[in-house]
Amino acid sequence: GAGVSQSPSNKVTEKGKDVELRCDPISGHTALYWYRQRLGQGLEFLIYFQGNSAPDKSGLPSDRFSAERTGESVSTLTIQRTQQEDSAVYLCASSLRQGGYNSPLHFGNGTRLTVT
Amino acid sequence: EDKVVQSPLSLVVHEGDTVTLNCSYEVTNFRSLLWYKQEKKAPTFLFMLTSSGIEKKSGRLSSILDKKELFSILNITATQTGDSAIYLCAVTATSGTYKYIFGTGTRLKVLA
Repeated sequence: GAGVSQSPSNKVTEKGKDVELRCDPISGHTALYWYRQRLGQGLEFLIYFQGNSAPDKSGLPSDRFSAERTGESVSTLTIQRTQQEDSAVYLCASSLRQGGYNSPLHFGNGTRLTVT
Repeated sequence: EDKVVQSPLSLVVHEGDTVTLNCSYEVTNFRSLLWYKQEKKAPTFLFMLTSSGIEKKSGRLSSILDKKELFSILNITATQTGDSAIYLCAVTATSGTYKYIFGTGTRLKVLA
C-alpha cells in the first residue's frame, strides 16, 4: 500500500490478556518506530528498528512489552498481561534513512487499545 | 535528558486570526526539527527544518528555526476551522540512535 498500515484499528481486551498489534510500513522504508499516545498527551517513544541492526528498545515501559520486525517489513508489538494503564493509541511510523538523516516520519492511523 | 517543550498547551482563536506556536528543545547532537499536524488519528508531516534562519512556507503555514536559541515557531495566518488540530513538534538527534523526540503538542481550536 501507499501508506503505513496498522491493524486492528481498535482493540478492546480484558485486563490480564495478551494483545498483538501489527504494523506494515511503507515499502522501502528501513526505519520503523512504535509510539504510544495516552489521551491528551504527547507521543511516547517505545522502540525503533533500523534495517538489520539491533533495535533500540530503550522506550519500552516494562518487560510485558516486546516487538519484532521481520527484515524491513512487518512489525508486531506484543503486550502481555495487559493492564488498564496500557490503554492508549499505539502509533507506528516508518521513514527512509539516507546518509546521516532520516526522512520525515510517516504515521499509520494507530491502534486504539482499551483494557477493561 | 533530551526534551522538547511546546507552548501554549492550548489555544482558542477565531477564524481569520494569526497564531504563533512555539517549540523549544534541549537535545544532544541535534539534527533536525519537524512539525506535524494531528487531527483525528495519524500525525501528518508539515515541515522539516535543519538550518537556522531559513523560513519554510506552505500556503498559510510557515516555520523557522533558531539553532542558537534552540527554538522554532510555527505561524498560521488567516486561520480556518480546518486548522483545528494538535500541532506536534519533534526533534531528531544522533545520540547513538535516530530517535524522534516529541513535545506534548499545542491543541489549537479555531472558532467560526
